[in-house]
Amino acid sequence: NAGVTQTPKFRVLKTGQSMTLLCAQDMNHEYMYWYRQDPGMGLRLIHYSVGEGTTAKGEVPDGYNVSRLKKQNFLLGLESAAPSQTSVYFCASTRSGGSYEQYFGPGTRLTVT
Amino acid sequence: AQSVTQLGSHVSVSEGALVLLRCNYSSSVPPYLFWYVQYPNQGLQLLLKYTTGATLVKGINGFEAEFKKSETSFHLTKPSAHMSDAAEYFCAVSGDQAGTALIFGKGTTLSVSS
Repeated sequence: NAGVTQTPKFRVLKTGQSMTLLCAQDMNHEYMYWYRQDPGMGLRLIHYSVGEGTTAKGEVPDGYNVSRLKKQNFLLGLESAAPSQTSVYFCASTRSGGSYEQYFGPGTRLTVT
Repeated sequence: AQSVTQLGSHVSVSEGALVLLRCNYSSSVPPYLFWYVQYPNQGLQLLLKYTTGATLVKGINGFEAEFKKSETSFHLTKPSAHMSDAAEYFCAVSGDQAGTALIFGKGTTLSVSS
């Protein structure tokens, strides 16, 4: 039982490049989330999904897109990376009908130059 | 709308001293409350949570927190700090709709000196 995994762990992009971050969970959770963490800002929600095929915007969605084609996977895309997107990205999941406790992945550290 | 305020971005204690990390929240519905810990270069790990029932909640590593509805607080305590407790701590409150994300405070970095 791996819990929540994220790929890759580290990445350096040049401005304008694109990439996709992959999140996978093996706990059969319905809800999944993408956050970004910046110093002194805590965690801010980018996008979330309440089920396969559904996504919704969070607090800071601009510049990102997401897809949830399979229940266990939640992808975060950057179409044209900007230096402001330099951050640590965390994926989390939780089950429906529960206490909202979220399980977090180990994070992806992204640097955009 | 829900919000979380953590008082003090940085707290320093000596080993063996009391740890007190403060968290106040606002919520339009009965809240679920959480404390998470993040060690350097790692993800977030749940320390403890309050859902319903007993207002004093015990978590891992000797931490506990008390839900005080009248004060809208959920402060985290540990009687005796250990060097290994040095980390960043986040308080979070549940959103008001199923499936919505937790709302996190900005975090408190705990330093422990010998």
